[in-house]
Amino acid sequence: ETGVTQTPRHLVMGMTNKKSLKCEQHLGHNAMYWYKQSAKKPLELMFVYNFKEQTENNSVPSRFSPECPNSSHLFLHLHTLQPEDSALYLCASSQEQGWEKLFFGSGTQLSVL
Amino acid sequence: SQQGEEDPQALSIQEGENATMNCSYKTSINNLQWYRQNSGRGLVHLILIRSNEREKHSGRLRVTLDTSKKSSSLLITASRAADTASYFCTRTGGGNKLTFGTGTQLKVEL
Repeated sequence: ETGVTQTPRHLVMGMTNKKSLKCEQHLGHNAMYWYKQSAKKPLELMFVYNFKEQTENNSVPSRFSPECPNSSHLFLHLHTLQPEDSALYLCASSQEQGWEKLFFGSGTQLSVL
Repeated sequence: SQQGEEDPQALSIQEGENATMNCSYKTSINNLQWYRQNSGRGLVHLILIRSNEREKHSGRLRVTLDTSKKSSSLLITASRAADTASYFCTRTGGGNKLTFGTGTQLKVEL
């Protein structure tokens, strides 16, 4: 158990659905991250929040909308996704942005039909 | 970009053998980190080596860093089937953007 919990573990959605991924960390960290991992591709950094403020948006399409209400919670709101958005979405946290050690959740395996 | 390039892409060994994987990078670093990922799970931090260090050990793991060659290696000694996973390196430095490569997929066979 890494102290970072992601829900749901698996999600299947249609292209017209709206869903949200949730991440919660119990480590007292101040930075949280969303990564996307597609088959055969490097992990893609999507968003970074540091002390609840978004500090990084790696040219992510607007159909992905992050929300960080406090330093312990991070959401990724999904709407009108495409099949190519199917991937493992990983949340991570660290003491501060760019700190030395990331703690990852187990991920949400997303399938877009 | 602070993406590390892991090499080889895939490695298959017998249980008990040593596994060595490498990481190369292009710019200066503050530190370099290795992570492990079991299939379909999140990454787990293994070890961090700072730019002024040349070697670091943690259990059966040994990491070396050669800043003149901009490369690092991860050695797993006496491998076990449970070591089967993907291994990634990443770095911190100017920019604070922690990015990862495609990793080395290690398979340890009984």
